[in-house]
Amino acid sequence: AQTVTQSQPEMSVQEAETVTLSCTYDTSESDYYLFWYKQPPSRQMILVIRQEAYKQQNATENRFSVNFQKAAKSFSLKISDSQLGDAAMYFCAFRPSGGGADGLTFGKGTHLIIQP
Amino acid sequence: NAGVTQTPKFQVLKTGQSMTLQCAQDMNHEYMSWYRQDPGMGLRLIHYSVGAGITDQGEVPNGYNVSRSTTEDFPLRLLSAAPSQTSVYFCASRELAGVGEQYFGPGTRLTVT
Repeated sequence: AQTVTQSQPEMSVQEAETVTLSCTYDTSESDYYLFWYKQPPSRQMILVIRQEAYKQQNATENRFSVNFQKAAKSFSLKISDSQLGDAAMYFCAFRPSGGGADGLTFGKGTHLIIQP
Repeated sequence: NAGVTQTPKFQVLKTGQSMTLQCAQDMNHEYMSWYRQDPGMGLRLIHYSVGAGITDQGEVPNGYNVSRSTTEDFPLRLLSAAPSQTSVYFCASRELAGVGEQYFGPGTRLTVT
C-alpha cells in the first residue's frame, strides 16, 4: 500500500507571486505516476500536471511545474505568477504504473489562498 | 463529448434507505471507478472496474455495491444508507493502460440523516 502526505493544510500567497506546495509519498513500487489535481469551489476535479516516475525531467505546464525527487519520494508543485483563479484545494495523487487496475491514492489536500 | 456524467447532483436519504448513484462516460474508457470525499480528506477509492462484467473493491467498499453491464455505465448502489455514508461521491474514468488522464464527474453530495 502507498501513502501520500501533504504537510501544508493551507497556504497563502500574494497575487503574481510564486508558491510551492509540498507532497511526499511512500511506496515500494519502482514505477508509478504522480499527479496534482485542483479542486475549486465548484468541486470539479481538474488535472493540473502529471509526472511519470521513469522520466528524470520535471514536468511543466505553463505556470505550473513540479520538482520531482524520486530518491526522496518528493513531488512538489510550483505555481508561478499566481492568479486569483488559482485559489482552490490542491491534491497530490499517486498511481502504480503496472497492470492498470490501480486507483489513485490521494493526499489530504492543501487549501491555496490567493491574496489580491 | 459529455465526458463523465453523474446523477443526481444532490441527494438526502434517511437511514436504512437504498439508492443508486448513476455514472456514465462516452469516451469508451475501460477503467471506471468510484471515490468518496469526506471533509479534510482526499478522495478514497470505493470500487473500480476494468471492463464490462469485471469489478473489484477499493479501499472503502463496505456498504456499497457496483456492477458494470456496459462499457459506458457504472452505477453505485447504497444498500442500506448510514450517516457514515454522508459524503461527496465522484465517478471517474480513464484508459486502462498508460498514464492516461483520469476524468472525473461533477460529484454527488449525499446526506444521510
